[in-house]
Amino acid sequence: GAGVSQSPSNKVTEKGKDVELRCDPISGHTALYWYRQSLGQGLEFLIYFQGNSAPDKSGLPSDRFSAERTGGSVSTLTIQRTQQEDSAVYLCASSLLSANTGELFFGEGSRLTVL
Amino acid sequence: GENVEQHPSTLSVQEGDSAVIKCTYSDSASNYFPWYKQELGKGSQLIIDIRSNVGEKKDQRIAVTLNKTAKHFSLHITETQPEDSAVYFCAAGLGRGSTLGRLYFGRGTQLTVWP
Repeated sequence: GAGVSQSPSNKVTEKGKDVELRCDPISGHTALYWYRQSLGQGLEFLIYFQGNSAPDKSGLPSDRFSAERTGGSVSTLTIQRTQQEDSAVYLCASSLLSANTGELFFGEGSRLTVL
Repeated sequence: GENVEQHPSTLSVQEGDSAVIKCTYSDSASNYFPWYKQELGKGSQLIIDIRSNVGEKKDQRIAVTLNKTAKHFSLHITETQPEDSAVYFCAAGLGRGSTLGRLYFGRGTQLTVWP
């Protein structure tokens, strides 16, 4: 597709379950970011990928959160043993990271609700 | 770390009037300040950005001003139209190399333009 694609768009899960969120970035974009948007909050940085490596994981809130990226393309964010405070919209963005622009191209997000 | 504050949280204007959204930041090392527009059903989009070596930047009806001494920057939309209605996020970052996409966001401003 032409833009960043995320799935699922909505996910409702029970506390304690594991969830996987998928991001398919724009073809050719080497940089990929995960952000989280909680109700009434700004976007909160979680993790950054350059290619398949993650030089910055500083935003992951706990060790229940992990992410991987394969083939320099698709990324999966995994949340283990979900808690109610994990409820948020999880946004993925990709970028060319050229010298002239840092423009991020965001997907529509995956809305996670933990009951 | 960086802290970005954004005001107001909601803003209603009549079509044709101007809208101003203000942000402050705390880290004097930040030198890249983008603004993103988030519309329902769409991924957030970059609408304008400014770097610290520039005091003002315009793009048609949109302008951004930056005061590095006071650590604040503002978005100005003139001749507002109903399609400008959206949530607007300001952000700050180091703006270089791999940190280009590592941004600190404000909490957003819900702008409503009444016809």
